[in-house]
Amino acid sequence: AQSVAQPEDQVNVAEGNPLTVKCTYSVSGNPYLFWYVQYPNRGLQFLLKYITGDNLVKGSYGFEAEFNKSQTSFHLKKPSALVSDSALYFCAVRPVRGSNYQLIWGAGTKLIIKP
Amino acid sequence: DTEVTQTPKHLVMGMTNKKSLKCEQHMGHRAMYWYKQKAKKPPELMFVYSYEKLSINESVPSRFSPECPNSSLLNLHLHALQPEDSALYLCASSQDFGDEQYFGPGTRLTVT
Repeated sequence: AQSVAQPEDQVNVAEGNPLTVKCTYSVSGNPYLFWYVQYPNRGLQFLLKYITGDNLVKGSYGFEAEFNKSQTSFHLKKPSALVSDSALYFCAVRPVRGSNYQLIWGAGTKLIIKP
Repeated sequence: DTEVTQTPKHLVMGMTNKKSLKCEQHMGHRAMYWYKQKAKKPPELMFVYSYEKLSINESVPSRFSPECPNSSLLNLHLHALQPEDSALYLCASSQDFGDEQYFGPGTRLTVT
């Protein structure tokens, strides 16, 4: 079965430090990869996506993600965390074959940035 | 304009009521989605409209009835809901089915 894993329920980072939110996937082919963020009591916001090309993708709010095909990972990163980055982060994968291109979602990682 | 709007923001309804959720986008997107989200969980896909036609119905109970009056509007009609249907209902749109999705703020639904 195809799946997306976010191995950490919660990540705690001090403000100003680099942050990483991990995502690995088990999907055949070359899927499209996405990160979304959800602030408290809000809808989800698209951060960035990878389809093809450079393994380092830059997105909104200073976030970037690194695609690693051999490890089937797509980790979200930011060089210097802000308290305002505290939110729930979801990784999502779109298979390129079958499943009508529906997204497969990770369980989410709560990111807490401490001042 | 990258905004998806949803009304109402909050809705409390009894199990015998009929209500509707509304969603609107003016980005010219051709795909629109309804999701249900429980607290701290990923969204669960309910329906997808592509070019104003229902493309996907994820085995959603008939007490939820979607409608796409035109390419900018999406409704979700609710009838005889159960308390377990209480959740955040999110609308999203994308340029085409499978592209990155833009979400509305959601409607917080409570069924009493």
